[in-house]
Formats: sequence, C-alpha cells, structure tokens
Amino acid sequence: DQQVKQNSPSLSVQEGRISILNCDYTNSMFDYFLWYKKYPAEGPTFLISISSIKDKNEDGRFTVFLNKSAKHLSLHIVPSQPGDSAVYFCAARKTSGSRLTFGEGTQLTVNP
Amino acid sequence: DTGVSQDPRHKITKRGQNVTFRCDPISEHNRLYWYRQTLGQGPEFLTYFQNEAQLEKSRLLSDRFSAERPKGSFSTLEIQRTEQGDSAMYLCASSRTGDGYTFGSGTRLTVV
Repeated sequence: DQQVKQNSPSLSVQEGRISILNCDYTNSMFDYFLWYKKYPAEGPTFLISISSIKDKNEDGRFTVFLNKSAKHLSLHIVPSQPGDSAVYFCAARKTSGSRLTFGEGTQLTVNP
Repeated sequence: DTGVSQDPRHKITKRGQNVTFRCDPISEHNRLYWYRQTLGQGPEFLTYFQNEAQLEKSRLLSDRFSAERPKGSFSTLEIQRTEQGDSAMYLCASSRTGDGYTFGSGTRLTVV
C-alpha cells in the first residue's frame, strides 16, 4: 500500500526554468509534509516542509504547495540550477507518530 | 559536530552471515531512526528510538533484525542470517523533534 506516490520517476528541465515536482498521498491522517533531496552516495538532505494548516511555504528558490482536498503537494524550484540535479523525495508524517512515509522519488536533471 | 555518522559505508557479506551496522547521531538529538532503501524506492521505516527506548518497529523488521541504542547515544542494527533480499542501503537519521530529520550517508549492504 503506497500511501505516498511520486508518479514521475524523472524530470528534465533547462537551467533558469521552473522545476515542478509532484506528490500525491492517500492517508488523510498525514499532517506534515517534507521534501528531501538526495545526491548519489549520500543520505537524503532536508529541503523544505509544510504543515497541513498551511497551503504554501517558501524558502528562497523553493516553494511547496499543499492542496489538502486533492491530497496533493508540489515542490517548485525557480530558477532551476544544474546543482539542483538530484533525486527528490516527498515524505509525510501522521499526526500521532513520528515516522516518515516516503514516496519513490523523482530524478531531477537540470541541463545547462 | 559532523552530523550523523554511519559505519561501515559499504559491507559485502555472504548469505547466512550476521552483520552489524553502527550509527552515531548528532549529539543533542534524542530521537534516532533506521530506514532501509532499495533501488528505485524511497526510504522505508524500520524502527525508532527516543533516548534508549525503542518506541516503534515496522513489520519490515523481521525476527532476524534487531536494533539497540544503549545509553541513548549511538545505535546498532544487526541482521542475522542475512538473505539476498536484505541487500539495500540502510539509513540512520536523528532529530530533536519529529520534524526535519538529519540523515547519515548510509551503509550499503550487499549479500552475495
């Protein structure tokens, strides 16, 4: 039962353009959502998060949008840079627990 | 503080052997997590400690797996009688709260 899904295994964009990574979830008990970035041979690195009481959170070039009614969140990166090329994981946490449930990841490639 | 440290980085073992991995969390973090990641998938939760208490275990953690966190500092994850299906990246993370884990670089296990 995949409760967090990232339907796009890969995304390729040009440097300077916007990257939009999508994530869907099924469990309505999730109340906190996070995005992680992972380079090869390294552990995931926390990028940005959003609570279910908000619909948008922004941090520099990164913005996360949450649509609770659609159980959908997205990560926008503007402008995209070649150093952003990595695997991006969406993760969610239930109200009562501390464990994170991750999606399968999306490989972002930003071309110079 | 150098972040979350995992040892070894790589481990190749023969099927049926026992292996043990170590994780040293960030010193002021009281929560410690173990995750497993296989190719093309996101990290999957295995178990979680708050200080020295193991508070949650996933169904993925079969009887062959055991984790400890003596004195609430470093943690070990042992796999007994390894199987080829145990081949994966084993990730450790720590946090002070349930938000925004810091992950280590992981231990890549290959069972041959």
